[in-house]
Amino acid sequence: DSGVTQTPKHLITATGQRVTLRCSPRSGDLSVYWYQQSLDQGLQFLIQYYNGEERAKGNILERFSAQQFPDLHSELNLSSLELGDSALYFCASSHSGGGQETQYFGPGTRLLVL
Amino acid sequence: AQKVTQAQTEISVVEKEDVTLDCVYETRDTTYYLFWYKQPPSGELVFLIRRNSFDEQNEISGRYSWNFQKSTSSFNFTITASQVVDSAVYFCALHVLYNTDKLIFGTGTRLQVFP
Repeated sequence: DSGVTQTPKHLITATGQRVTLRCSPRSGDLSVYWYQQSLDQGLQFLIQYYNGEERAKGNILERFSAQQFPDLHSELNLSSLELGDSALYFCASSHSGGGQETQYFGPGTRLLVL
Repeated sequence: AQKVTQAQTEISVVEKEDVTLDCVYETRDTTYYLFWYKQPPSGELVFLIRRNSFDEQNEISGRYSWNFQKSTSSFNFTITASQVVDSAVYFCALHVLYNTDKLIFGTGTRLQVFP
């Protein structure tokens, strides 16, 4: 158990819909990362928040957005969903960010868009 | 540009065999970190090891060992006396210190250990 929690574990929805994925980092971690794992793209970095502020952006679509709240939990919002958005979405956390720290991953949210 | 290559898509072995998973990375930076993660069939990503670019010492942890060679830009992972529970997808990842804080993952190697 990494200490990172993600809800829900599974999500099935229809095209055009909007969903919210939630992540709680390990106790004491200030940095939260979101990654998408799909069959065709592999594991790709989406976005990072540090202590409530956006720190880095990766291959995140404009239809997707994220935020980190004062209690440090984070939410990833996916809207106007398409079939291709079906993937496993991971959240990871580290204490303060930076390559010298290990990112610990949550169990993931498996999203299926029908 | 940074890149991680795991050329072995899938490896199958019989229990108790030794197996080595290859990882080759590309970066022009001198300070970077390399990681291995395990993704068992249940789907979570489990951290295995972190190595910084200034530490080329090999590491052993039980049946697991890692060989880091800067001369060949490789960070290979060996499982000795493999077990069925080692069956998983293994990912190698790169983090360049002075880049964004993202991990750059390889495409993974699926290891199947048969009894």
